[in-house]
Amino acid sequence: DQQVKQNSPSLSVQEGRISILNCDYTNSMFDYFLWYKKYPAEGPTFLISISSIKDKNEDGRFTVFLNKSAKHLSLHIVPSQPGDSAVYFCAAWNFGNEKLTFGTGTRLTIIP
Amino acid sequence: DAGVIQSPRHEVTEMGQEVTLRCKLISGHNSLFWYRQTMMRGLELLIYFNNNVPIDDSGMPEDRFSAKMPNASFSTLKIQPSEPRDSAVYFCASSFRAGASTDTQYFGPGTRLTVL
Repeated sequence: DQQVKQNSPSLSVQEGRISILNCDYTNSMFDYFLWYKKYPAEGPTFLISISSIKDKNEDGRFTVFLNKSAKHLSLHIVPSQPGDSAVYFCAAWNFGNEKLTFGTGTRLTIIP
Repeated sequence: DAGVIQSPRHEVTEMGQEVTLRCKLISGHNSLFWYRQTMMRGLELLIYFNNNVPIDDSGMPEDRFSAKMPNASFSTLKIQPSEPRDSAVYFCASSFRAGASTDTQYFGPGTRLTVL
């Protein structure tokens, strides 16, 4: 059973607009959430993370929001740029088992 | 540092053949992770090692899969015999230590495996 779900396999956004990628999880024991970005023919690279004790973390154009009651997190990219076109994976981690659980990914396409 | 190195980048083989995927960790990293990426399940953790010791192999799909770390910087993932449903992209990743959430995992470029 998927503990981390990304229900939108793809998303297209106009350049300069806001991109919002969503992620839902089922395990309330997760302590930490991460977003990874993946370009074709490359491995995923770490983008941004958030601890479960926070509800927002910001890094430049990227902001991650966490709603623990809804078991939902989102990644906001503002403004979106063509270089942001990639697959984005949401991942979750807990102190109990020391391993990341990844979602299935969302392919973001930024339209010039 | 060259980052995590994986070989081969592409592997095409026939059902029943043995396949060996290789990974070289980033120097100084102590933890090694093998993942498999499929459309249906995204990135699945197969197994991870801390200081050369396998810690959790619960993600290894079957006995046909095995992984080793013969030394601190190198790992292999072997599939014997391979089946068409094993076709996927296999990634390895390394980090300084597995037990800390803030230790970023660095991924290799992946091996695309096709089993005919």
